[in-house]
Amino acid sequence: DADVTQTPRNRITKTGKRIMLECSQTKGHDRMYWYRQDPGLGLRLIYYSFDVKDINKGEISDGYSVSRQAQAKFSLSLESAIPNQTALYFCATGLTSQHSDTQYFGPGTRLTVL
Amino acid sequence: DQQVKQNSPSLSVQEGRISILNCDYTNSMFDYFLWYKKYPAEGPTFLISISSIKDKNEDGRFTVFLNKSAKHLSLHIVPSQPGDSAVYFCAASENAGNMLTFGGGTRLMVKP
Repeated sequence: DADVTQTPRNRITKTGKRIMLECSQTKGHDRMYWYRQDPGLGLRLIYYSFDVKDINKGEISDGYSVSRQAQAKFSLSLESAIPNQTALYFCATGLTSQHSDTQYFGPGTRLTVL
Repeated sequence: DQQVKQNSPSLSVQEGRISILNCDYTNSMFDYFLWYKKYPAEGPTFLISISSIKDKNEDGRFTVFLNKSAKHLSLHIVPSQPGDSAVYFCAASENAGNMLTFGGGTRLMVKP
């Protein structure tokens, strides 16, 4: 079984709709992240959480919100989706005790906003 | 402005030859650098990393070189194999803060 899972894997929605992307992990990591990938821009950080009660904005948080329901679950919401939020979204985890800063990624969610 | 840049969007190499992927950064506070590999329909997977106290780190066919004065790092793959065909992302962090800044990626194609 995958250590970091994301649901759904693909989603098509319309402008103005509310969308939630979910992420679960079995790695036991305390840190969780949401990124989006756009062609030529790499991965950009949307939100991150170092613990259940800790939520921090990343580079491009406008238009997004998150919820850390438990150590293993971190969901990303688009309150009112717009076409330029069409992208590939990745959840990632990391462990505070590791100096390496290595993060472990889920398989991604492809979101299309029409 | 992008703090981590991969100026080559794509690279094509013959099987068995060396692949060299380059990455430049502008933030002098970055002290840890990583390379990730991404296949289609999968998330990025960690490949190799290097701390700023080193200038080289090797793991099998993969070697990362860091030139701090030039703010440049490179990933060498020797010998290249068709299974290495993927998108490679360079990433950097500062002060072990666990925040990664990614480059735009380079698509490597290894031809049989």
